[in-house]
Amino acid sequence: TQLLEQSPQFLSIQEGENLTVYCNSSSVFSSLQWYRQEPGEGPVLLVTVVTGGEVKKLKRLTFQFGDARKDSSLHITAAQPGDTGLYLCAGVFGNEKLTFGTGTRLTIIP
Amino acid sequence: DAGVIQSPRHEVTEMGQEVTLRCKPISGHDYLFWYRQTMMRGLELLIYFNNNVPIDDSGMPEDRFSAKMPNASFSTLKIQPSEPRDSAVYFCASSWNNYGYTFGSGTRLTVV
Repeated sequence: TQLLEQSPQFLSIQEGENLTVYCNSSSVFSSLQWYRQEPGEGPVLLVTVVTGGEVKKLKRLTFQFGDARKDSSLHITAAQPGDTGLYLCAGVFGNEKLTFGTGTRLTIIP
Repeated sequence: DAGVIQSPRHEVTEMGQEVTLRCKPISGHDYLFWYRQTMMRGLELLIYFNNNVPIDDSGMPEDRFSAKMPNASFSTLKIQPSEPRDSAVYFCASSWNNYGYTFGSGTRLTVV
């Protein structure tokens, strides 16, 4: 079973601050996805990264895929209360399964 | 498109009863996945289908769990008999070509 470790597990910061959360694995991903989940709802796909070193931006969110395709980071600039949620990374390995990380529970304090 | 539709949203049942969860994937998607989410174990893949055919059910916890996909627009996950440790949120997700999953809103199952 492939394991994805996310850090930190919990993060609480003030509105307007910047933050970075991480996703690490000992195995190489075919591709990696980031999701955000709000209470009572299913995860919602934010981005998919495929190429090592790839950087994608989604408004104030910046996603980076490690050169070796074993890790990824999500950086949020000027966090807002609407960014509150559970952030999940999920990696696709060669057998087509999407394996989810342990999640980072983010709280933005107004 | 209405997205992935799951029913019921909430289910409370007594231990030993049969529980059936339902999922309607997005039209045109060829992959369907059943996940279970708990605080302790996070999101776990139970089983997935490709073109209605079960591909990998290694995540199904035991024989009490079964899943079917009789056609491209419907899938069920059945637990018989149910036990308190089955209490969790069960998600169905679908995708096209295994790229970018769309999740339903989940079924919160409580077994008392």
